[in-house]
Amino acid sequence: KQEVTQIPAALSVPEGENLVLNCSFTDSAIYNLQWFRQDPGKGLTSLLLIQSSQREQTSGRLNASLDKSSGRSTLYIAASQPGDSATYLCAARTFNAGGTSYGKLTFGQGTILTVHP
Amino acid sequence: GAVVSQHPSRVICKSGTSVKIECRSLDFQATTMFWYRQFPKKSLMLMATSNEGSKATYEQGVEKDKFLINHASLTLSTLTVTSAHPEDSSFYICSAQRGAGDSNQPQHFGDGTRLSIL
Repeated sequence: KQEVTQIPAALSVPEGENLVLNCSFTDSAIYNLQWFRQDPGKGLTSLLLIQSSQREQTSGRLNASLDKSSGRSTLYIAASQPGDSATYLCAARTFNAGGTSYGKLTFGQGTILTVHP
Repeated sequence: GAVVSQHPSRVICKSGTSVKIECRSLDFQATTMFWYRQFPKKSLMLMATSNEGSKATYEQGVEKDKFLINHASLTLSTLTVTSAHPEDSSFYICSAQRGAGDSNQPQHFGDGTRLSIL
């Protein structure tokens, strides 16, 4: 059974800092890994999706890396801003119990990020 | 980008009431839809997966008769919480994906429904 862990659980940084969020997963047989942002009381916004064959993906100030062999992914946020404050979730997509093709996402518990001015 | 609309955003009702939540993909055909439940300060827990025109596949521990899922079209899935009780109070989020067989497609999420049972 896939288990996804995120460290740290919470992070508070001053504006302008570069920061790294960590995600680890126990089963390396993944389709892909996705990073999401969740604002309080809201749904999830997809930030980056890394296919199993890829090592990293970049979007603006965000860079996500994937190391399947060690079961790790990191989300790097450059020059953080107060608007980046949110909960960041990583999710690994693996086969479901029935082995059907669509797979399922297993989520970590998230990192609550606060960027203060 | 892909848009998933979930309605209602918030429901408050009495114990014993049945509540229906709708999830629509607005600009793409969602062959597969997912329903999640999120407890306060916890991560998302997958409840069930539905493919258009087929019966939903429920995760272990999720009561099929309690949480009825219908995926009648490529743009609409519904979750009905039957005879809801206070312990069913939670944040429910749906997700939609293009393509049944292509698990490398990203999932797109709705804004969630806050269900409060009195």
